[in-house]
Amino acid sequence: AQSVTQLGSHVSVSEGALVLLRCNYSSSVPPYLFWYVQYPNQGLQLLLKYTTGATLVKGINGFEAEFKKSETSFHLTKPSAHMSDAAEYFCAVTDTGGFKTIFGAGTRLFVKA
Amino acid sequence: DAGVIQSPRHEVTEMGQEVTLRCKPISGHNSLFWYRQTMMRGLELLIYFNNNVPIDDSGMPEDRFSAKMPNASFSTLKIQPSEPRDSAVYFCASSSRDWSYEQYFGPGTRLTVT
Repeated sequence: AQSVTQLGSHVSVSEGALVLLRCNYSSSVPPYLFWYVQYPNQGLQLLLKYTTGATLVKGINGFEAEFKKSETSFHLTKPSAHMSDAAEYFCAVTDTGGFKTIFGAGTRLFVKA
Repeated sequence: DAGVIQSPRHEVTEMGQEVTLRCKPISGHNSLFWYRQTMMRGLELLIYFNNNVPIDDSGMPEDRFSAKMPNASFSTLKIQPSEPRDSAVYFCASSSRDWSYEQYFGPGTRLTVT
């Protein structure tokens, strides 16, 4: 069965600093991987996804993530944090053999001025 | 285009009362998901419909919960009777195909059971 682990329930960075949110997954078959963002009092919205092909995936708002099969990781990065990036971020995995999307516990990103 | 629409946005009810949450998926989407989000348990999948048919309801907590999708443009999640531990934010999401595609989430219904 697949699972998702997000390291760090809270991450704090200064405005302009690198954002790195970690996600590791387990899956018995090649996975589909997603990052979603949730702003306060809103539903989740897709940042980016990996299905097949290029392992470096670019998303909205300057975020990108790299699928590393050998490390079973799909970490989310952004070179320079902005105050508007403060939100909760969820990594999710779906394996090609099933139909459930499993969400990680989420990482709340704080951006300091 | 309108996104996923949920109603009501907020619901406050007393223990023992019936609660019905409503969802209108994005037109043309054939998969619909109901989730529950709490601080303690995070985001949990309750039930998944594909082409209006319930495919997996293993996440439904107990018999007090039921969900229906009578047509492609409407779904309900009902709790009867409600209990304080049901207090959470309930999200509906839809997808254009199936689990392999991104899900579009509604704004959620914040349920408080007193």
